[in-house]
Amino acid sequence: EVQLVESGGGLVQPGRSLRLSCAASGFTFDDYAMHWVRQAPGKGLEWVSGINWNSGTIGYADSVKGRFTISRDNAKNSLYLQMNSLRVEDTALYYCAKDKDYDPRGIDYWGQGTLVTVSS
Amino acid sequence: QSALTQPASVSGSPGQSITISCTGTSSDVGGYNYVSWYQQHPGKAPKLMIYDVSNRPSGVSNRFSGSKSGNTASLTISGLQAEDEADYYCSSYRSSSTLDVVFGGGTKLTVL
Repeated sequence: EVQLVESGGGLVQPGRSLRLSCAASGFTFDDYAMHWVRQAPGKGLEWVSGINWNSGTIGYADSVKGRFTISRDNAKNSLYLQMNSLRVEDTALYYCAKDKDYDPRGIDYWGQGTLVTVSS
Repeated sequence: QSALTQPASVSGSPGQSITISCTGTSSDVGGYNYVSWYQQHPGKAPKLMIYDVSNRPSGVSNRFSGSKSGNTASLTISGLQAEDEADYYCSSYRSSSTLDVVFGGGTKLTVL
């Protein structure tokens, strides 16, 4: 059974940093691309960032480019999102998501999310 | 990075069929067969319903079907049931110099 467990969310002041982690199990982690997707309260889904199986291809939404960094550790079956210079508008539930392929082709499994609140 | 365009809401009575559209461009929906559809109930994580335009994952009811014509993809739900009431999102791979994925704004399905 595929399991994705996010951690690292919390309340943080604007301008500060936070690092999200995602522990994956139930599948061969280094065979698949991975993503971070967020959902602001009462809003729709927004793709944040993605990374292919070997970290050779990475992408970011314009809204986070230059501030967020995605990475993965295939030896630890883990995905990360380093979030710097956080803004109030980054407040959202952040989902870790697995792609169905080694290069990004479509998300097939989602974690339960970790809540990030940016507020002074 | 404009989102894919979906209607804000659709509704139907039990037993009826509804269709949700998802309009993009030739750089995403129209250019690739990597369109997915997700169902999200309140307070829950999204669930994959359709992948690669028209394929259903194991365990998803055959009342759900997907198609594409040009730059517009569609999700059809036949034989509407009360439990189908949820938010639905489309998503597509998008051509870019880096990795790029785009979601639709979401459609609220109400079963009357």
